[in-house]
Amino acid sequence: AQSVTQLGSHVSVSEGALVLLRCNYSSSVPPYLFWYVQYPNQGLQLLLKYTSAATLVKGINGFEAEFKKSETSFHLTKPSAHMSDAAEYFCAVIQAAGNKLTFGGGTRVLVKP
Amino acid sequence: DTGVSQDPRHKITKRGQNVTFRCDPISEHNRLYWYRQTLGQGPEFLTYFQNEAQLEKSRLLSDRFSAERPKGSFSTLEIQRTEQGDSAMYLCASSPTGQGTSGSPYEQYFGPGTRLTVT
Repeated sequence: AQSVTQLGSHVSVSEGALVLLRCNYSSSVPPYLFWYVQYPNQGLQLLLKYTSAATLVKGINGFEAEFKKSETSFHLTKPSAHMSDAAEYFCAVIQAAGNKLTFGGGTRVLVKP
Repeated sequence: DTGVSQDPRHKITKRGQNVTFRCDPISEHNRLYWYRQTLGQGPEFLTYFQNEAQLEKSRLLSDRFSAERPKGSFSTLEIQRTEQGDSAMYLCASSPTGQGTSGSPYEQYFGPGTRLTVT
């Protein structure tokens, strides 16, 4: 069974600083990988996805993630945090020909002025 | 494209009551999913439909839970004899089948969720 681990349930960054959110997956076959963002009392919005094309993926709001097969990782970064980035971020995987997303536990980002 | 919608957004019920939630997917999407998210956790898969057929159910979906998608469009999730442990956000998502130019079946679009509180 596949699983997703997000290191750090809470991350605090200063406005303008680098945002780095870590995600590692366990899967016998490289899956498709996703990052979603969730604002309070809202559903999930897709930030970006890796589907076996380029390993460096750019998403919305200035976020990007790099798929590293050797490290089974898909870390999310943003060079300069903005106050509006305060939210909870979820990494998720799905197997090719699979139907369900498996999510990590989430990382809540706090942005300090 | 109006996105995935869910109704109601919030539901407070007493233990033992039945509740029903509705999800309207993106109109051209054939696949529909239900997830449950408890406080401080990531969403967990409950069940999945392709058109009107329910193709997969999680072991999380106890006998008290039932989901339907009778005409292959909107879906309902019913919880009978609610328990306090059912308190959670119930999320619906939809995706295309991936045939033709309908988009990737792996890209799921989520609704705003229904937050259930069982007192």
